[in-house]
Amino acid sequence: ETGVTQSPTHLIKTRGQQVTLRCSSQSGHNTVSWYQQALGQGPQFIFQYYREEENGRGNFPPRFSGLQFPNYSSELNVNALELDDSALYLCASTASGGARNEQFFGPGTRLTVL
Amino acid sequence: KQEVTQIPAALSVPEGENLVLNCSFTDSAIYNLQWFRQDPGKGLTSLLLIQSSQREQTSGRLNASLDKSSGRSTLYIAASQPGDSATYLCAVRSNTGKLIFGQGTTLQVKP
Repeated sequence: ETGVTQSPTHLIKTRGQQVTLRCSSQSGHNTVSWYQQALGQGPQFIFQYYREEENGRGNFPPRFSGLQFPNYSSELNVNALELDDSALYLCASTASGGARNEQFFGPGTRLTVL
Repeated sequence: KQEVTQIPAALSVPEGENLVLNCSFTDSAIYNLQWFRQDPGKGLTSLLLIQSSQREQTSGRLNASLDKSSGRSTLYIAASQPGDSATYLCAVRSNTGKLIFGQGTTLQVKP
């Protein structure tokens, strides 16, 4: 069974640019969630996708958007990057949409905005 | 609004000591609570998941308890080892499915 994978591992961008982060969910999981973790903080929920539809969103502006594909992999897109967007971005997958199910996290993508 | 707090923020203990990490949450209407381990610069590793109907879960040297009515959970680590050094995060799962995290407890176990 393959775990959750994310790419790239590290990324450096400049303010105002756009970035796309990718996540492959664990085999058999159809729900993907994205989290932002600033240095020294706990992760903050960005949004969740279930069967290719956004299924919940945290307190993040519209320049944070996402997609989920038929194979349940997912992308996080961030437009007009700001310095405060520098963080570790984590993807988590869950079997089915059930709130009781355990979330499994990928290794994260470290984004640095200069 | 659900808020999750972890105390202490940092902890340093000698090897072999038993220790307790604390997590509290303000809204008892949770689906479950999950404890994670995070090594520096890495992703999250799930340690234990406690459903709202359960009182505790055990895995090896780890034991997690949940008291929904008081909004508290504890993670007990027995016979701590240097390899246990990491940040430990607790997170509660709301009925919307999202996880709400505490800020974590950074543990250092000295040889």
